[in-house]
Amino acid sequence: AQSVSQHNHHVILSEAASLELGCNYSYGGTVNLFWYVQYPGQHLQLLLKYFSGDPLVKGIKGFEAEFIKSKFSFNLRKPSVQWSDTAEYFCAVATTGGYQKVTFGIGTKLQVIP
Amino acid sequence: DAGVTQSPTHLIKTRGQHVTLRCSPISGHKSVSWYQQVLGQGPQFIFQYYEKEERGRGNFPDRFSARQFPNYSSELNVNALLLGDSALYLCASSLGPGEDGYTFGSGTRLTVV
Repeated sequence: AQSVSQHNHHVILSEAASLELGCNYSYGGTVNLFWYVQYPGQHLQLLLKYFSGDPLVKGIKGFEAEFIKSKFSFNLRKPSVQWSDTAEYFCAVATTGGYQKVTFGIGTKLQVIP
Repeated sequence: DAGVTQSPTHLIKTRGQHVTLRCSPISGHKSVSWYQQVLGQGPQFIFQYYEKEERGRGNFPDRFSARQFPNYSSELNVNALLLGDSALYLCASSLGPGEDGYTFGSGTRLTVV
C-alpha cells in the first residue's frame, strides 16, 4: 500500500520568503502526484498535479513542484510567498490503473506573516 | 457555479444511530469518491464509485457503505455510529476513475455525541 510523508507540519514564513514543502511517498509502481491546498474556511483545491512528462510541474498562484523519481519525492516550492498563501497544504499520491485511490499526507500548515 | 455539492453541511447524531450523507458531482463527472478527514489529519479514502459500481474501498469497517445513482450522485451511509466517526466527510468527483485530479466539495461535518 502507498503512503505519503510530509516532513513539516507547521511552517511560519515572512512575506517574500521562499517556500519549500517536502513530500515523500512510498509505492513501487507508477503513481500520479498531487498537491492540494485548503485555505481557511474553504474546501480542498487542486494546486498542481504530475502524471508524466516534464518532472517540473507548474501550478496555480506561482507554485511549482518537482518530481524526483529516484528520491520518491514531490516537493512543493514557491519563490516568494504572500500573506494570502496562508493555508494547509496536502501532498497526495494516486496509484494508476483501474481506479484512483488517492492517499493524502498529514498536511502542512503554512502561516505567512505580513 | 455547479461544483461538487454536499448535504447536509453539518450534522449531529447520537452513538448507535445511522447517517446518510449526499453528494452531487460536477456535471459530466462520472466518478465520485468519499473521504474522511479527522481533525489534524489528511483525508482518508473510503470509497470510489464509477458508473454506479464500486471501484475501490479503503480500510473502513462494514458499517460504512455507499452507492451511486444513475445521475452519478452518491450517498454515503454509516450505521451504528461511534464517537470516532466524528469527522469531516468529503466527496470528490472526477471525469473517470483514474483521470485528472479530484474536485472536492466543502464536506459534511458529522459530530457523534
